Formats: sequence, C-alpha cells, structure tokens
Amino acid sequence: GQNIDQPTEMTATEGAIVQINCTYQTSGFNGLFWYQQHAGEAPTFLSYNVLDGLEEKGRFSSFLSRSKGYSYLLLKELQMKDSASYLCAVRDSNYQLIWGAGTKLIIKP
Amino acid sequence: IAGITQAPTSQILAAGRRMTLRCTQDMRHNAMYWYRQDLGLGLRLIHYSNTAGTTGKGEVPDGYSVSRANTDDFPLTLASAVPSQTSVYFCASSDSASGGADTQYFGPGTRLTVL
Repeated sequence: GQNIDQPTEMTATEGAIVQINCTYQTSGFNGLFWYQQHAGEAPTFLSYNVLDGLEEKGRFSSFLSRSKGYSYLLLKELQMKDSASYLCAVRDSNYQLIWGAGTKLIIKP
Repeated sequence: IAGITQAPTSQILAAGRRMTLRCTQDMRHNAMYWYRQDLGLGLRLIHYSNTAGTTGKGEVPDGYSVSRANTDDFPLTLASAVPSQTSVYFCASSDSASGGADTQYFGPGTRLTVL
C-alpha cells in the first residue's frame, strides 16, 4: 500500500530552527509537496521538490532524497505565526496526491 | 478576489438526508478535487475531475457523487448521509492534472456533521 509518515507533533522555541521529516512509500513518484495548514483553515502550498536536493524559499527550505524515500521541511527563525500543521504529500504514478496525516508544530516563546 | 469558494461553511444534517456541497473556482483551472479531512488521518481524495465533463473516483468514493458540467463548478452530493461522513470537506483546484509543480489551491472547507 501507499504510506506517508511524519511525526504527529513537534515543539520548538521562537527564533529557533526546526526540521520536520517525511518518509514515503508510494506507487511511483512525481513530486513531493509541503503544505501549511493553520487550525480551522485550508492547506496552503509551501514547496515542491521533484529532484534530489534542497529547495530554499525564504525562511523555509525543503529537501528530497528519492533513493531514500525521504524529505524534510526546515523552518528557520521561527515565529509564533508558524504554529500550524505541516502536511507532506507525494504525487503518485496516477498523478494523485497521497497525503500524510500532518505534523502539528507548536511554537513556544 | 480570485480563488475557490465553498458553501455552506458548516452544516448539521440528519442521517438519511441528501446534501450537496458546493464548490466554485474562478481561476479557470482544469482540474478539481474533493477531499475529506478527519482527525489523525491525511487528506483523502473522494472524487476528482481532470477537465469539464469528466470525473473519476478517488480513494474513498463510496456514498458520494460529483458532476462537472462546466469549468468553474464541482458539486459533491451525499445521496443519503451517514454519521461516518461527518468530516471537514475541502475542494481544491489545479491548473493541470499532471506534471510540473502543479499546485493545488484549496477552498475554505465545509464542516459537516451527520447525526
């Protein structure tokens, strides 16, 4: 079956750096996405990786290793507004997104 | 403002009733999707449409139906609601159903409770 694993919850301190991991086993691979979802709101797009390596976008970076079925989202200079759930999703061979359950990130002052 | 709208925002429904969740986008996206989101689970695809006039089944289609008469609208119908369909429903759209960084944009969601 298809499976996306990510930690259920993480806690970090304002101003610090946090890394959220995602491992996947899917039927085919056509890209990996990270979305942010604040409580009670819709998911919003953060990043996309299709080749191995690091993609940087401001305070957020996303890394992909296709051979290891692994990705991480790196958040720097954490702000209180970064408290949210972070969803990892893989596009499979049918070009459908398979979603992880999300990682709830709690930022403490 | 361009985007996706969903209606209603929330609804409490008696089991056995019929219900249609509405979704409209004004971005002229070809592909549209319906997901449900339940606590502790990832978003699960119910139905999708790659282009107007076509629809397909996702991971959890049973008890739901969709239609795509035009580019903008993608309603989701529960023919006879059951308590297990209590969930938050998200509609999403993307420019193309395949390839590239084809980002899905989400509507604000409908919170449905079936009693």
